Amino acid sequence: SQQGEEDPQALSIQEGENATMNCSYKTSINNLQWYRQNSGRGLVHLILIRSNEREKHSGRLRVTLDTSKKSSSLLITASRAADTASYFCATGYSGGGADGLTFGKGTHLIIQP
Amino acid sequence: NAGVTQTPKFQVLKTGQSMTLQCAQDMNHNSMYWYRQDPGMGLRLIYYSASEGTTDKGEVPNGYNVSRLNKREFSLRLESAAPSQTSVYFCASSEFSGGSYNEQFFGPGTRLTVL
Repeated sequence: SQQGEEDPQALSIQEGENATMNCSYKTSINNLQWYRQNSGRGLVHLILIRSNEREKHSGRLRVTLDTSKKSSSLLITASRAADTASYFCATGYSGGGADGLTFGKGTHLIIQP
Repeated sequence: NAGVTQTPKFQVLKTGQSMTLQCAQDMNHNSMYWYRQDPGMGLRLIYYSASEGTTDKGEVPNGYNVSRLNKREFSLRLESAAPSQTSVYFCASSEFSGGSYNEQFFGPGTRLTVL
């Protein structure tokens, strides 16, 4: 079963606006990761936030983590057409093992020029 | 560095045929993974190999076998393909260190259709 659930499933905004997508998960985690997937391509890692961190920045990306609510959000500021993609949150199957990631179904983001 | 490479990129099989998907990474990572992605879905873990010489089942292992040939290569075999195995298959690798897993690096995927 998929632990992460992204919300919304689809999001369409104008270029230059900010895009926010959310992720909820069910069990305790070691860290939570966000990935981007362009149509028909492999996944690209965006950012990793550890369970003892509350916020992390990388360029135009800001990720927050609330372990008490088992939720995370990804904010993309000043969106560009090239940001059009599907975005997935992912958590480990177990606390700290190398046993793979559980992905949500993703948020499909469309940036309109 | 090529990162994670997968072959073939596309494949069409008939029900009952067998095939092996190949994956290699040149980042000297210990851990490797096979996922499948069905339309409109996230990725689901088929098998993983935490280190050379070990393999373990993931969420959806039925109908598949794997081989960790060496540290670089991790193959996925379908012994008797079924239409339900029509999917896009992704291989990934990561470095597990300090008691924590890190980011995963993904290959470009193999698009498999079983008729």
